[in-house]
Amino acid sequence: NAGVMQNPRHLVRRRGQEARLRCSPVKGHSHVYWYRQLPEEGLKFMVYLQKENIIDESGMPKERFSAEFPKEGPSILRIQQVVRGDSAAYFCASSGDRVGTEAFFGQGTRLTVV
Amino acid sequence: GENVEQHPSTLSVQEGDSAVIKCTYSDSASNYFPWYKQELGKRPQLIIDIRSNVGEKKDQRIAVTLNKTAKHFSLHITETQPEDSAVYFCAATSGGSYIPTFGRGTSLIVHP
Repeated sequence: NAGVMQNPRHLVRRRGQEARLRCSPVKGHSHVYWYRQLPEEGLKFMVYLQKENIIDESGMPKERFSAEFPKEGPSILRIQQVVRGDSAAYFCASSGDRVGTEAFFGQGTRLTVV
Repeated sequence: GENVEQHPSTLSVQEGDSAVIKCTYSDSASNYFPWYKQELGKRPQLIIDIRSNVGEKKDQRIAVTLNKTAKHFSLHITETQPEDSAVYFCAATSGGSYIPTFGRGTSLIVHP
């Protein structure tokens, strides 16, 4: 029973390139959340998705960032034209269908923009 | 939306002492309050949670209390050990919403 799987674990991109971060939720979970964590800071909410739908993207920058959770396959967080300020750990979490249940986290993707 | 405040940001204790971390939330409709522990370089993991119909919950050395009227909840760790050293996050989930909103975290350091 695999938990939340994120890949890659580490990603290095040059300024201006695109970063694609993948997240496979716990089997049977249809709710996915992406959080960003800067060094020695908290978990900042970015976006909440259900299968094929973006439910809440209030924490995501309007430009360069996008997310999807297709019917088949993992959730993808995409950052276009990365800048140094995008360097952070990006965590994905998933939860089941009952409101107010545990969110399980993946290991995170550490993005470094050089 | 929900807003969660967490204090202190850093807590340093001697092994065997107790540690208390406090959080407040803004949305009176919040009804689920998990606590996560994040060790250096690792993922956050749930250590204990409490729902709004309960005032206190205990699991061995860890306990959580909830005061719905004052909209605050606390994590209590007794007989702290060096392996308790980590960052602890509180969170609140509003009724009808799935999104956990996290506090900024408390870095707990337990000195042997």
